[in-house]
Amino acid sequence: GENVEQHPSTLSVQEGDSAVIKCTYSDSASNYFPWYKQELGKGPQLIIDIRSNVGEKKDQRIAVTLNKTAKHFSLHITETQPEDSAVYFCAASSLRNQGGKLIFGQGTELSVKP
Amino acid sequence: DAGVIQSPRHEVTEMGQEVTLRCKPISGHNSLFWYRQTMMRGLELLIYFNNNVPIDDSGMPEDRFSAKMPNASFSTLKIQPSEPRDSAVYFCASSLDRVSQPQHFGDGTRLSIL
Repeated sequence: GENVEQHPSTLSVQEGDSAVIKCTYSDSASNYFPWYKQELGKGPQLIIDIRSNVGEKKDQRIAVTLNKTAKHFSLHITETQPEDSAVYFCAASSLRNQGGKLIFGQGTELSVKP
Repeated sequence: DAGVIQSPRHEVTEMGQEVTLRCKPISGHNSLFWYRQTMMRGLELLIYFNNNVPIDDSGMPEDRFSAKMPNASFSTLKIQPSEPRDSAVYFCASSLDRVSQPQHFGDGTRLSIL
């Protein structure tokens, strides 16, 4: 079945710096890749997603890139702010092999120091 | 707009007791997912429904766990009898469809079995 690996598990940056989180997936049929942000005591909240027919998507300070050949995708946060501190999860979905289920990475705990 | 609503937010009970977790999905969404989150195993999909019908329950850990969706606006996850190892945060999520669509999560039920 699908396996999603996420790195790093923890990431600490200074306010204003950029943060990059990377994920790899194993199922070449995966075609949907969302990213979630989870704050303490809350459920995961979708922040951006990308489908396999595009290579990059941007929304203000957040961008996601997808390399289908290498089977990896990344989240980029620019000009980080303390409120970006949270746990971030990537996920992948494949209708062919997973019935559309989301398979989540292990999470990255991002800490933005003021 | 109302998001996914889960109740209770916290539940503490003794081993052997029955536990019932409740979820109200976003109106108009036809897919509903139950997840469990622990430090050791991360986010695990337990079961999901499409149009009120269970599609995949392969993630349900054992027969002590059961889930129902009697109508489009309500679902329950029941554990009977409960055990300490069931302690976790349980999330419900809903989406417009089960395939390649954003899933919207509730804020979870933090379950502690003593």
